Amino acid sequence: QKEVEQNSGPLSVPEGAIASLNCTYSDRGSQSFFWYRQYSGKSPELIMFIYSNGDKEDGRFTAQLNKASQYVSLLIRDSQPSDSATYLCAAEDPITGGGNKLTFGTGTQLKVEL
Amino acid sequence: DAGVIQSPRHEVTEMGQEVTLRCKPISGHNSLFWYRQTMMRGLELLIYFNNNVPIDDSGMPEDRFSAKMPNASFSTLKIQPSEPRDSAVYFCASTQKGAYEQYFGPGTRLTVT
Repeated sequence: QKEVEQNSGPLSVPEGAIASLNCTYSDRGSQSFFWYRQYSGKSPELIMFIYSNGDKEDGRFTAQLNKASQYVSLLIRDSQPSDSATYLCAAEDPITGGGNKLTFGTGTQLKVEL
Repeated sequence: DAGVIQSPRHEVTEMGQEVTLRCKPISGHNSLFWYRQTMMRGLELLIYFNNNVPIDDSGMPEDRFSAKMPNASFSTLKIQPSEPRDSAVYFCASTQKGAYEQYFGPGTRLTVT
């Protein structure tokens, strides 16, 4: 059973601080990893993906991947109240025929407090 | 583009009734995914299609669930008969082959009483 594990939270950080969200995965064959953001009552939307070991930065967001430790993280710098949401980590299964079969974690709820 | 379209947005039905959820993917996308989301189990992949062909239905919980994609612009997920434990939000998502991002529809909130 392929699993993606996340702490459900809530993770509370003050406005302007760095939020650190973590995720572990069980399938060493997974090559690509995704962070989706989901506001309450809304659908998930992709904010970052990463497939190489190391860091990938996009604005205030940095994704980190360590395949040896099977660990993925998302850092949000200068956290804003608008970042308050649930963050879903997902691992892509290698498949044939194209498309991205994803296994999602249950998500970490982030609260950015004024 | 209008994005992924799902209908209905909300469905309340009684146990034993048939439920049909509908999805229109983004034009030009050739992969379509059906997910179910609950508080306990999170977001689970039920089935996905490539070029209208079902590729992996291992996430379909049981024979009461079935999905079809008769053409590139339409898919259905049917539950017959429905049970209270089927209550969840059902999302449809689509993507282009080789692309990384899946685009999710607004979801259908299903309540089975």
